[in-house]
Amino acid sequence: QVQLVESGGGVVQPGRSLRLSCAASGFTFSSYDMHWVRQAPGKGLEWVAVIWYDGSNKYYADSVKGRFTTSRDNSKSTLYLQMNSLRAEDTAVYYCARVFIVATGTSVYHYGMDVWGQGTTVTVSS
Amino acid sequence: DIQMTQSPSSLSAYVGDRVTITCRASQSISSYLDWYQQKPGKAPKLLIYGASSLQSGVPSRFSGSGSGTDFTLTISSLQPEDFATYYCQQSYSSPPFTFGPGTKVDIK
Repeated sequence: QVQLVESGGGVVQPGRSLRLSCAASGFTFSSYDMHWVRQAPGKGLEWVAVIWYDGSNKYYADSVKGRFTTSRDNSKSTLYLQMNSLRAEDTAVYYCARVFIVATGTSVYHYGMDVWGQGTTVTVSS
Repeated sequence: DIQMTQSPSSLSAYVGDRVTITCRASQSISSYLDWYQQKPGKAPKLLIYGASSLQSGVPSRFSGSGSGTDFTLTISSLQPEDFATYYCQQSYSSPPFTFGPGTKVDIK
């Protein structure tokens, strides 16, 4: 079945780095843009980053720009989030999610996110 | 950047009630507005896309409406499994794909 599984979370000291992975299965990973979304404890959802299906374009939230980098290996159906210079405010559950595509006739529309991983927890603390 | 607001931030309702949540964008997003349901400890679930289209498998008691800057999520008859937090998100044009702050629906 269609599935996303995140890994790589943990406890890390401020200023250190961590790399998250998101393994996809059950669909053609290379055809889909992919997002990262995070949720701090007791808070709402925050969009973090998106990477185009072929890795040609990447966009980031201002809160992580210059510190986080997303990438993908389509041959391995895996998405990555490299997080550098981590701060306490980066503490959150991190989700990867697949863009929702609707194709009608000759038109293709990209909406939100229809498949989500279970999340991986990142805690930044000394 | 486009900002999203939601109201109310929380509400209490009885099973069987009709519930309406509103979402407003700081500028026009056409119909590129999606609604999610999230239960504690779980990943969000897509309910409505394109402002008014029901995602496959989602009960028909959920409906969405609106375009431009003002949108509404309606639950026609609240069920016990609907108690959750609901988020809107804009998927219009370029990033950031901002989420609203959420509306928590709990039992009265």
